[in-house]
Amino acid sequence: AQTVTQSQPEMSVQEAETVTLSCTYDTSESDYYLFWYKQPPSRQMILVIRQEAYKQQNATENRFSVNFQKAAKSFSLKISDSQLGDAAMYFCAYRSEGTSGSRLTFGEGTQLTVNP
Amino acid sequence: DTGVSQDPRHKITKRGQNVTFRCDPISEHNRLYWYRQTLGQGPEFLTYFQNEAQLEKSRLLSDRFSAERPKGSFSTLEIQRTEQGDSAMYLCASSLETDSYGYTFGSGTRLTVV
Repeated sequence: AQTVTQSQPEMSVQEAETVTLSCTYDTSESDYYLFWYKQPPSRQMILVIRQEAYKQQNATENRFSVNFQKAAKSFSLKISDSQLGDAAMYFCAYRSEGTSGSRLTFGEGTQLTVNP
Repeated sequence: DTGVSQDPRHKITKRGQNVTFRCDPISEHNRLYWYRQTLGQGPEFLTYFQNEAQLEKSRLLSDRFSAERPKGSFSTLEIQRTEQGDSAMYLCASSLETDSYGYTFGSGTRLTVV
């Protein structure tokens, strides 16, 4: 079974600075998807960024980018120019490729605080 | 379409009572998922539907839990004989079968069993 580990329960960053959230996963599959979700206090999970395992190029979405190291099974999220609205719980998630692998497996989460 | 809707937002019930939650997915999404999230933890998969068929159930889904999606549109999750350990946020999400962009989540139903 796949597992996802986020080793940083809490992180903090100064507004306008850069922060990196770590995620590692364990799988025997070669094709899969990785995601970062944000969950603000309103509790609705919001997709931040995704990465297909077969793509070597790291995904970017505006101020958010990932460092995907397939061999090391590592998938970190970098937030540049941090804003107060980035404060939230961030979850790393794994999903298998194919119709039989619809479930998302989440990590434990990292609580990000942004200090003004 | 306003996204994935869940009702109620909060539910307080006494131990031993039955509760039912409803989820209305995005209308064109044929897949619907239920997750459970306890405080400070990541969501855990419970079950998912493709149209009206329930295709996968987690071992977390005990006999007291049942989910339905009768016409392939909205879904209900029922918990019978609630226990204090059932207290959690129950999240619903939906997606297209062909969508690899992850899911769209609802805001969840917070259940408190007293």
